[in-house]
Amino acid sequence: GAVVSQHPSWVICKSGTSVKIECRSLDFQATTMFWYRQFPKQSLMLMATSNEGSKATYEQGVEKDKFLINHASLTLSTLTVTSAHPEDSSFYICSARDNGRHQETQYFGPGTRLLVL
Amino acid sequence: GENVEQHPSTLSVQEGDSAVIKCTYSDSASNYFPWYKQELGKRPQLIIDIRSNVGEKKDQRIAVTLNKTAKHFSLHITETQPEDSAVYFCAASQGYALNFGKGTSLLVTP
Repeated sequence: GAVVSQHPSWVICKSGTSVKIECRSLDFQATTMFWYRQFPKQSLMLMATSNEGSKATYEQGVEKDKFLINHASLTLSTLTVTSAHPEDSSFYICSARDNGRHQETQYFGPGTRLLVL
Repeated sequence: GENVEQHPSTLSVQEGDSAVIKCTYSDSASNYFPWYKQELGKRPQLIIDIRSNVGEKKDQRIAVTLNKTAKHFSLHITETQPEDSAVYFCAASQGYALNFGKGTSLLVTP
């Protein structure tokens, strides 16, 4: 149980294009999901907290107009990187909290590797 | 906000030896402390966690200890195996967002 999927697993795009990443909880409902970014050999940095049916909460320094988050259902959150640039190239990982279990535990998706040329 | 320090950044042990990774946190309100293992290019996987009402927790070869007074917690891996080689992250939380340490790259040599 507690499986989180992400799609796509990797994407290469040209500078200036937008990229949408999906995060799904497959066997549980998640009111809250989190989006992280991880650069090579670094830790996970929280970008934003996504709550179903409401606006996301962004961490300091993360541009909400550049990283659009939508959490339209209890099993799906999406992150759209708008007008992507090479410096946005990174490993994007989502996590989800299971409504039915210990609320603190976060289950991570497999990540999406984004390369912007 | 919460600040989590993790040491060492790299750790090399021989197979069969024990490995210890230590973390400190700054916010006394933190009450949940998970440890994640991340293999190269893969997702972080929860290996053990501890809540502030418990001082120690063990799961087979893995144990975590928590000292709330000193605000530090440690991961102990006994009888290490080559497949334990990975990056380990500690985190602290007040029950919501996770604040991660910078990670420890563990190498277990046969």
